[in-house]
Amino acid sequence: ETGVTQTPRHLVMGMTNKKSLKCEQHLGHNAMYWYKQSAKKPLELMFVYSLEERVENNSVPSRFSPECPNSSHLFLHLHTLQPEDSALYLCASSQDWQGGNTIYFGEGSWLTVV
Amino acid sequence: AQSVSQHNHHVILSEAASLELGCNYSYGGTVNLFWYVQYPGQHLQLLLKYFSGDPLVKGIKGFEAEFIKSKFSFNLRKPSVQWSDTAEYFCAVKGGTGRRALTFGSGTRLQVQP
Repeated sequence: ETGVTQTPRHLVMGMTNKKSLKCEQHLGHNAMYWYKQSAKKPLELMFVYSLEERVENNSVPSRFSPECPNSSHLFLHLHTLQPEDSALYLCASSQDWQGGNTIYFGEGSWLTVV
Repeated sequence: AQSVSQHNHHVILSEAASLELGCNYSYGGTVNLFWYVQYPGQHLQLLLKYFSGDPLVKGIKGFEAEFIKSKFSFNLRKPSVQWSDTAEYFCAVKGGTGRRALTFGSGTRLQVQP
């Protein structure tokens, strides 16, 4: 149990579907993150939110749309994805995003785009 | 470009062998350094971290890492590995010029044979 919960754990979607990934953290942290983990590639930072405000967008295509309604919840809305978007999407949180705070990860959502 | 390099992609060792995994980064300025581990089927979790002070950092499960500023390195070591150390190990760096979020290397898969 990491204190960061992601749902669903597995998702298969067609290229024309709209789906969302959900993340909830129970650690009282102020910063939340989305990372993408693909085989044989470094973890790629996608988005950073601090106190519900997006502070970093790492050149992510607009077919990925994040939403942070409060400091405990983070969503990743998915629309018209491509097969190459299939990957493990990791949510994470930390006390704040500046400084060397430890980042705590969820178990990830496996996404397959068909 | 700023990057984190892990040169060993796949390491196979026998139990009781010594381990050293390399990590180099290309950031200038002050950095915070981390090693994360991902056991099969589990979430990413922190192994150890360096913020300042003693460049030799001790983490969980007998792991340690040494920060050598002049070499931009933060290599992970363990004197005697166990089968349960089989996992993927990720080096991560936070900080450096214009970069405030955590950036990961591509990971090293360690396989320990009994």
